[in-house]
Amino acid sequence: EDQVTQSPEALRLQEGESSSLNCSYTVSGLRGLFWYRQDPGKGPEFLFTLYSAGEEKEKERLKATLTKKESFLHITAPKPEDSATYLCAVEEPGTYKYIFGTGTRLKVLA
Amino acid sequence: DADVTQTPRNRITKTGKRIMLECSQTKGHDRMYWYRQDPGLGLRLIYYSFDVKDINKGEISDGYSVSRQAQAKFSLSLESAIPNQTALYFCATQDLGADTQYFGPGTRLTVL
Repeated sequence: EDQVTQSPEALRLQEGESSSLNCSYTVSGLRGLFWYRQDPGKGPEFLFTLYSAGEEKEKERLKATLTKKESFLHITAPKPEDSATYLCAVEEPGTYKYIFGTGTRLKVLA
Repeated sequence: DADVTQTPRNRITKTGKRIMLECSQTKGHDRMYWYRQDPGLGLRLIYYSFDVKDINKGEISDGYSVSRQAQAKFSLSLESAIPNQTALYFCATQDLGADTQYFGPGTRLTVL
């Protein structure tokens, strides 16, 4: 069964304290892995798409990486405004449907 | 103006009432999706549509129905609302030939 698991469920960091969020997946034939940011009461906002192992994408303090079994979202020197829930999803092969993980709630303290 | 809009943004209703949530998009995308989000369960797919004549059930379609009135409009109905349908509901769109889904701002629905 295709599945996406994110860890940790919640993470508290001090401002400037770098860390990583994990997204592990089981899907036959990965077509794309997606990272989204979601602020409370708002819709998910697209961050990155990764397609193949070894690929990396960066945006400001965020860098997403991909292996054959998992993806990491690295946050370098985070700021309080990076506080949000980060969602990971994979495309169910051949369907154009996403399978979402339950997300990691990140809180960055000033 | 937002590319994907949802109305209403908040709704409180009573058990047994019929409710319609609406989604409109100006992105020109053919594919549209309805999700619900519950704490600890993540986003789950209710229905999806690849064009006006193509509507498909997702993993949790029981108790819901949809209507694709035009390329830009996709409505979700709860025929007889029940309390466990209390959730955040999101609409999303996706372009043909593209992988990324874009989400609306959501509707918070409370069924008493």
